Amino acid sequence: EAQVTQNPRYLITVTGKKLTVTCSQNMNHEYMSWYRQDPGLGLRQIYYSMNVEVTDKGDVPEGYKVSRKEKRNFPLILESPSPNQTSLYFCASSLSLGDSLRGSYNEQFFGPGTRLTVL
Amino acid sequence: QQQVKQSPQSLIVQKGGISIINCAYENTAFDYFPWYQQFPGKGPALLIAIRPDVSEKKEGRFTISFNKSAKQFSLHIMDSQPGDSATYFCAASNIDAGKSTFGDGTTLTVKP
Repeated sequence: EAQVTQNPRYLITVTGKKLTVTCSQNMNHEYMSWYRQDPGLGLRQIYYSMNVEVTDKGDVPEGYKVSRKEKRNFPLILESPSPNQTSLYFCASSLSLGDSLRGSYNEQFFGPGTRLTVL
Repeated sequence: QQQVKQSPQSLIVQKGGISIINCAYENTAFDYFPWYQQFPGKGPALLIAIRPDVSEKKEGRFTISFNKSAKQFSLHIMDSQPGDSATYFCAASNIDAGKSTFGDGTTLTVKP
């Protein structure tokens, strides 16, 4: 089954304790992205990767790190979590975001989400 | 700086009615405008998308209207059904840059 998986699905942690949220896709997608969802703020892009070893900052990258060492995995790392990083996190992947020359867009497939609470 | 503004925040519609959600963007570098639908406890899923050289796109009961000069676009759900009750996000993507900016979301409730 084609899917994006995230682990853990739920996590409660304390301030300053490093954590990693894993994301894996089995669709051979080149593009992967992390979002956080907060009430009233919609989805905000944290980091994205257009291919292996290529990552770039989204709109809210502060306090997060990512790596893309292999195509299928795109972990999100919080080196020193703080309470303001309490949120619902989504990983997404797509073949590519699209083709601007052909005027096409590729759907981003979202994982089930990880609910993180930082105390 | 909020690059995509979405309204209303919540919407209640009677079954069979028309649901309309509006979005406005600022950055002219955006070159694709998708709408995503999210049910409780699930990740968002693509509903319909439009590129800026098209003024309208229709898929079943869902229609996007796009006004490039006003930098506005909207989602119309015709004959709204209780199963359409969900949160809807508009988005704007810069495909070459890989960036996607989402609106704040609209929670739609369709009453039977």
